[in-house]
This record gives sequence, structure tokens and C-alpha cells, in this order.
Amino acid sequence: DIQMTQSPSSLSASVGDRVTITCQASQDISKYLNWYQHKPGKAPKLLIYDASNLETGVPSRFSGSGSGTDFTFTISSLQPEDIATYYCQQYDNLPLTFGGGTKVEIK
Amino acid sequence: AHLLESGGGLVQPGGSLRLSCAASGFTFGDYAMSWVRQAPGKGLEWVSIITSSGASSDYADSVKGRFTISRDNAKNTLSLQMNTLRAEDTALYYCAKAGATILSPFDIWGQGTVVTVSS
Repeated sequence: DIQMTQSPSSLSASVGDRVTITCQASQDISKYLNWYQHKPGKAPKLLIYDASNLETGVPSRFSGSGSGTDFTFTISSLQPEDIATYYCQQYDNLPLTFGGGTKVEIK
Repeated sequence: AHLLESGGGLVQPGGSLRLSCAASGFTFGDYAMSWVRQAPGKGLEWVSIITSSGASSDYADSVKGRFTISRDNAKNTLSLQMNTLRAEDTALYYCAKAGATILSPFDIWGQGTVVTVSS
């Protein structure tokens, strides 16, 4: 199984700050990496697919990069509505696997 | 596009439960579908996936042999039959829409249904 290691597990930042989350796969997954946003009581939401493609309707302050085993997710200017837990997920192979999540809070 | 899960509830260890997911707003039979769960205080865990035709499916090792995924494309419905339930199956279960193939992003999610396994 492909293990996804996400860091940090939580972070606190100020409104307007640049926020970066990393995700490392235990083996090469090419570009097959998604990023989801999950707010309490809400359905998870796809933000980024294929490592760097922004899902339709998602604000441009969200971005993703990387390939192979190392990936990065960035919020260029943190907004109050971005408070959530963010997950990476690989879909290069079954079983599908998620990172442990990063809880983003406002300082 | 919309997904609505139902069928969750309280069940004793060793018991069974059947979850359903009603799809609307898209051509259900064109897409693979999946179940993902979140145990209390934990992250997201993939559970099972089924191809668009229903001909093929796969499961996480944690549920293999106990859970069965199925779909009725005529009724736009996805199901998860859960047998021999354990305390560690307690979670919020989400239905999610994938792409034309099983190896694709989950672009639509339901709100989830809660399963509690306890005596």
C-alpha cells in the first residue's frame, strides 16, 4: 500500500499569511495526487487534482505542485473561510490512501 | 450534482447495516462510486469503490470480506452492505463520486451518514 505522510498535522497562521502543507508518498505516484478541504459538518471538497490542477470554481489563492513522491499545497493569502482540515490523497493505485490531514487555524 | 446518504444508525457488535446513497444531477451510470469514512477524531479513510457498470469493486483491507458495495444504475443508487460490524467501524460514512475510471478524483461528496457500533 502507498503511505501518504502529510505535514504539519496542524498550523496556526494570520489572515493574509502564506500557508504551505507538504505531502510525501512512500513510492512514486507520478502526478496522481488530490487535495481536499474538509470543514466540520460539511462534505469534503476537491480543491486540486493531478497535483496542480485547480478544480472549477476554487479560488486561485489555492495551488498545488509536485510530482513523484513530494507534493506541496499552498494558500497564498489565508482567509477566515479557509479554516478547515486539508487532506492529500493518492489515486495512482488501489488501495486509495489519504494523508493524515492538516488542521488550519487562524492565529 | 448531489449525493444523499441514508441508513446509518446504532448497531451492536457483530450486527449488520445497509447504507444507501441516492445520486442526482448527473448521469450516475457513467461514473465510478466510492465510500469513504471518518472515525471520530480521525482522518479520512477510503473504504470501497465500484466501477461505473458495477462489474468490478475493491475494498480496504479493514473491511474486506465483511462489506459489500453494489449499485443500481436504473435507480441511481449506491449501497454498502456492512456485516459483522466492529466497534472500529464506528464512523461518518461518505458517498463520493469518482470519474469514469476508479483511479480518479472524488469530485462530489455527500454529507454523510453516521454509523455507531456499540453494545
